[in-house]
Amino acid sequence: DAGITQSPRHKVTETGTPVTLRCHQTENHRYMYWYRQDPGHGLRLIHYSYGVKDTDKGEVSDGYSVSRSKTEDFLLTLESATSSQTSVYFCAISVDAAGTEAFFGQGTRLTVV
Amino acid sequence: TQLLEQSPQFLSIQEGENLTVYCNSSSVFSSLQWYRQEPGEGPVLLVTVVTGGEVKKLKRLTFQFGDARKDSSLHITAAQPGDTGLYLCAGPFKAAGNKLTFGGGTRVLVKP
Repeated sequence: DAGITQSPRHKVTETGTPVTLRCHQTENHRYMYWYRQDPGHGLRLIHYSYGVKDTDKGEVSDGYSVSRSKTEDFLLTLESATSSQTSVYFCAISVDAAGTEAFFGQGTRLTVV
Repeated sequence: TQLLEQSPQFLSIQEGENLTVYCNSSSVFSSLQWYRQEPGEGPVLLVTVVTGGEVKKLKRLTFQFGDARKDSSLHITAAQPGDTGLYLCAGPFKAAGNKLTFGGGTRVLVKP
């Protein structure tokens, strides 16, 4: 157990509203990631962070922003939710350098109606 | 087109049969990882292969890394219903700053 907690676990929101998902870790690991998972696409990287206030874009970052003001928290914000952002969102951490083994949270199922 | 292509996408077999899942790329990876994901949960790391030609065993699961480090396979011997799940391969993609890149996954169903 890598001590990763995602909240909320489920959310339904309306198109056009902002949504923030939270990832909290208890182990003080440097690298944190946000992925989305959709059928047929596996896991796709949205944003990642390699330290406090150090973040970078992944392959599907449009429409998303992130913030990391503390080592233990990594927030993902959908600035104006769209139906195409309906997905399951996973937070992950890496113990060592980027690209090494990842440990995942339990996911947040987001539905945009 | 995904950087890591997994095949097949779906596999349904009877308990006791063997199965093999493939993960292929046109790019060289410094390492590849295999994860298993059960419904409603996040992926869980099974193994990491690092050396070309490497074979690792985890009980009834055998993982192999290709000699050229562009492909990997997962073989399950005498599959059991508990092996049911989504199997994902992943690796650090050097051209993208070693960000961890995932294949599309293979969904395995083992019927009792």
